[in-house]
Amino acid sequence: EAGVAQSPRYKIIEKRQSVAFWCNPISGHATLYWYQQILGQGPKLLIQFQNNGVVDDSQLPKDRFSAERLKGVDSTLKIQPAKLEDSAVYLCASSPGQGRYGYTFGSGTRLTVV
Amino acid sequence: AQTVTQSQPEMSVQEAETVTLSCTYDTSESDYYLFWYKQPPSRQMILVIRQEAYKQQNATENRFSVNFQKAAKSFSLKISDSQLGDAAMYFCAYRRLNSGGYQKVTFGTGTKLQVIP
Repeated sequence: EAGVAQSPRYKIIEKRQSVAFWCNPISGHATLYWYQQILGQGPKLLIQFQNNGVVDDSQLPKDRFSAERLKGVDSTLKIQPAKLEDSAVYLCASSPGQGRYGYTFGSGTRLTVV
Repeated sequence: AQTVTQSQPEMSVQEAETVTLSCTYDTSESDYYLFWYKQPPSRQMILVIRQEAYKQQNATENRFSVNFQKAAKSFSLKISDSQLGDAAMYFCAYRRLNSGGYQKVTFGTGTKLQVIP
């Protein structure tokens, strides 16, 4: 089966600019996750979707971050305006159910804010 | 809140030798899941092994096995016959058992494993 696709792979932007990341999960996976991984740290959950509904966005900085999952398939994560501390790898993952058997991750987008 | 601690930022092992990566976690739950993920330089997190807390038997996947000590809240990963391709960041992770809602996975800070030829 095809894996979780993410794009772009790298992105460099200036602070206060906006950026968007795209994720296409494994076909049939109902649950989609966006994680932020700052250098030297473990991934931190930003938002979790079940189909096209949000089930957890408690750690999403909603003043600047937004995410949507259209038709319960693809998802986009947006940052506007970006700050220096947003520099990180943004990982997308999916699971068929609620993740009891683990997630399948994409290769992530490395964002550098200068 | 659940926390996952990996006290070894870096480890090294000779090729073909055995290495053990440590993980401890804090929880008040009795039923949960534990995972080890591998993240090579390609950045893609790959599930290595999974353990259900209610199972006393330690999980094993080929050269990878765990030592699950529930009372001590310890979940170490043993890699036998280490190969160059095992070099990566390894993350320990915890997830509560379903209780009618959606449960997120909490990751540790990772251990960087170097394999020496």
